[in-house]
Amino acid sequence: ETGVTQSPTHLIKTRGQQVTLRCSSQSGHNTVSWYQQALGQGPQFIFQYYREEENGRGNFPPRFSGLQFPNYSSELNVNALELDDSALYLCASSLWGYVEFFGPGTRLTVL
Amino acid sequence: DAKTTQPPSMDCAEGRAANLPCNHSTISGNEYVYWYRQIHSQGPQYIIHGLKNNETNEMASLIITEDRKSSTLILPHATLRDTAVYYCIVRVAADSSYKLIFGSGTRLLVRP
Repeated sequence: ETGVTQSPTHLIKTRGQQVTLRCSSQSGHNTVSWYQQALGQGPQFIFQYYREEENGRGNFPPRFSGLQFPNYSSELNVNALELDDSALYLCASSLWGYVEFFGPGTRLTVL
Repeated sequence: DAKTTQPPSMDCAEGRAANLPCNHSTISGNEYVYWYRQIHSQGPQYIIHGLKNNETNEMASLIITEDRKSSTLILPHATLRDTAVYYCIVRVAADSSYKLIFGSGTRLLVRP
């Protein structure tokens, strides 16, 4: 186990709703990244947070947003959910963005 | 886009070495090669990383060619628990930090 925890484990939402996913970093880490993994594909980088600010973003629309808190935990928020947002959402923590350690993920289903 | 190319699947016998190849012909001089694996849609597990020298840890060895255009991950004595999807990744700069760009990976099946 990596020490990175995510909640909830599973979540079911309907199209148009909003969702918040949470991540607790491994002790000693100061950087958090979020990834989306659709079924049968590799994870795709959404964004990274360092010092409570977004520090790099992948090809995702603005309705994907995040927060990092002073204790380095993080949230991923997705507004106006679409069916294609159904995926495994992975959080990874690291020290200065070097070796990233992943949590177990949150499985989001959008109906 | 992923900067790596891997075979979609491989298999090996339990107890034998598993050698997983990866091509990264467009890698830049300061970009590292990382390997992760993923079992049953759990979170990816870090294995090893390197820049130009060969690396070894308790899980695996990483052999990088001199021109850095390819590498091989070696699991010296594969077990059934090593069955997983293995991702070879080039870590690239993302604004003021770094990001991992995953490809499709290699599905390794370890046979009894």
